[in-house]
Amino acid sequence: SQTIHQWPATLVQPVGSPLSLECTVEGTSNPNLYWYRQAAGRGLQLLFYSVGIGQISSEVPQNLSASRPQDRQFILSSKKLLLSDSGFYLCASRRPWGGHSTDTQYFGPGTRLTVL
Amino acid sequence: DAKTTQPNSMESNEEEPVHLPCNHSTISGTDYIHWYRQLPSQGPEYVIHGLTSNVNNRMASLAIAEDRKSSTLILHRATLRDAAVYYCILRDWRNFGNEKLTFGTGTRLTIIP
Repeated sequence: SQTIHQWPATLVQPVGSPLSLECTVEGTSNPNLYWYRQAAGRGLQLLFYSVGIGQISSEVPQNLSASRPQDRQFILSSKKLLLSDSGFYLCASRRPWGGHSTDTQYFGPGTRLTVL
Repeated sequence: DAKTTQPNSMESNEEEPVHLPCNHSTISGTDYIHWYRQLPSQGPEYVIHGLTSNVNNRMASLAIAEDRKSSTLILHRATLRDAAVYYCILRDWRNFGNEKLTFGTGTRLTIIP
């Protein structure tokens, strides 16, 4: 299985400040990587996914961006946070596609972001 | 991915079996049924998946109706640690390259000591 590391675990930031959340993956090579956001009491919303270094696809237009500088590193950033950016941010990983048995996503512990 | 319907919440007594239902009446022949669960303040974790036949693993069992329009996740002996939101998701294996894993609102399972 894979192990997903995320930090920080919690973060309180003022409106207008920058953001950088980091995710690293162990236990697999060339994974597909994902950033999700979960607002309080809501389901998961896919924000970005990446199938390789430097390859980022955005699911929802917003003031967030993602980068993948290394094979097993995924970063979520913002230049200026909004109140609506508050939520629980989750990084996930999936092995490269090899049939239904590989179609399992492994999630990290998450970062709880509060924008004040 | 096709849509699923689950009850918003369920309760069960500790050490008793739990049957979590999921309806997917528009399921196609190429849809796999996946279950994830999310414990409080944690990321989701994979539980089990299947296509047509019932499946068992160390965490749970998955019972799939003969017409595949519904399925049931079975926790054989619930513990307090099983209290979580359980998500039933359909994944079409033909959608290679479809990276979106669509989580609905799931079923919030409460375990009563």
